[in-house]
Amino acid sequence: KNEVEQSPQNLTAQEGEFITINCSYSVGISALHWLQQHPGGGIVSLFMLSSGKKKHGRLIATINIQEKHSSLHITASHPRDSAVYICAVYSGGGADGLTFGKGTHLIIQP
Amino acid sequence: SAVISQKPSRDICQRGTSLTIQCQVDSQVTMMFWYRQQPGQSLTLIATANQGSEATYESGFVIDKFPISRPNLTFSTLTVSNMSPEDSSIYLCSVESRDRVSGELFFGEGSRLTVL
Repeated sequence: KNEVEQSPQNLTAQEGEFITINCSYSVGISALHWLQQHPGGGIVSLFMLSSGKKKHGRLIATINIQEKHSSLHITASHPRDSAVYICAVYSGGGADGLTFGKGTHLIIQP
Repeated sequence: SAVISQKPSRDICQRGTSLTIQCQVDSQVTMMFWYRQQPGQSLTLIATANQGSEATYESGFVIDKFPISRPNLTFSTLTVSNMSPEDSSIYLCSVESRDRVSGELFFGEGSRLTVL
C-alpha cells in the first residue's frame, strides 16, 4: 500500500503570497490527483498528473516521478483559496489502489 | 464530467440509530465509491458499488454496518447502522470519468454526520 505524506499540515499566509504544498509517496504510481476540499466537506478535482507540469489559472501542479514527489503552487493567493488541499495517488490494482494524503489546511488572510 | 448530488449535507444523530445517505449522479456510471473521512484523517474507501451486484467492501467495513444499495446506474445509498460516536465523520460518494489512469475524480458535497 502506498504511503502518502503531505506537508505542511497547516499553512496560514497573507493574501498575495506564493503558496507551495508538497506531496511525497512511497511506491511508483500511474497517476496523482490534487483535490480541493471546501469547508462543507465537498471535494473538487484540481489536477490529474502522470508526468511534468500542469497549469490552470493561478494553480500550478508539478510531479517528479523519479523522486516520487509532487507540488501544488498557488500564485497571488486569495482568501477564497482557503480550503484543504488533498493529494491522492493511484498505484493500480483497482478501486483500493487510490491512496489519499491527510490534506493541507490552507488559510489565506486578507 | 459528472455532477453528484449528495444528501443530507449534515445531520446530528442519536447513538443506536441509523441514517441513509443518498447519492445521485447526472450521468450513468458503472462504479460508485463510498468514502469515510474521520476528523483529521484522510479519505478511506468503504466500498465499491456496482449496479446489479452486491457492493465490494474494503477491509474493516462490513455490510451489516454499512449496507449499500445500487438500484440503477445513476443512484446509490449508503446506510450507517446502529451509529456510535466513532461513526462521526464526513461520508462522500465518488465516481470516475472512465478509469483510474485517465479519469478525473468526481465527488459529492459530502455528508457530515455527528453522532451524540
